[in-house]
Amino acid sequence: AQKITQTQPGMFVQEKEAVTLDCTYDTSDQSYGLFWYKQPSSGEMIFLIYQGSYDEQNATEGRYSLNFQKARKSANLVISASQLGDSAMYFCAGPSARQLTFGSGTQLTVLP
Amino acid sequence: DTEVTQTPKHLVMGMTNKKSLKCEQHMGHRAMYWYKQKAKKPPELMFVYSYEKLSINESVPSRFSPECPNSSLLNLHLHALQPEDSALYLCASSLGRRGGSTDRTNTEAFFGQGTRLTVV
Repeated sequence: AQKITQTQPGMFVQEKEAVTLDCTYDTSDQSYGLFWYKQPSSGEMIFLIYQGSYDEQNATEGRYSLNFQKARKSANLVISASQLGDSAMYFCAGPSARQLTFGSGTQLTVLP
Repeated sequence: DTEVTQTPKHLVMGMTNKKSLKCEQHMGHRAMYWYKQKAKKPPELMFVYSYEKLSINESVPSRFSPECPNSSLLNLHLHALQPEDSALYLCASSLGRRGGSTDRTNTEAFFGQGTRLTVV
């Protein structure tokens, strides 16, 4: 089983600034994946970015990038140029859909 | 079509009522999931169906009864619920292919918009 830890219950960022949301994981598997999801107040779980354990490069999807440090077992989400619409709860999760474990989440608030 | 559709979006039910939540996907996924999410908490897995068979039941009370009539449809039947069962119920699906591949296609779960359930 995999354990996912998010240590930032809440974060604030100024509009247009970058922000990093932390995620560490604990697994004995050699093969795994890590996901970041965004959940606005409406409730839908929106996929943001994915990193596979064997991927050599850090994943990027538009304004989202993943700072993957395998030796430190961390998979931090970086949001560049924050927008007001980025205000939401963010979850780190893994290792795969069949065994998906979520971190406790980080509530991000973007300030105008 | 990369959608998972859940109905209804909102449901208010009394403790003696019987109701059902519905989840549908047409992506050819063979694994489907029910999650329960309380406010400000992460989703918690309730049930997993793999190839229309129940493969995981995370010690969920029997007042929640899942059903998978076919590979595209997943239901959650509710009976004699308690007020503490009020939550957001999320359905998800994934390819369901067995094996160790870590590519995104094989491991990603697609979520529906959820049903907000209130038990009164």
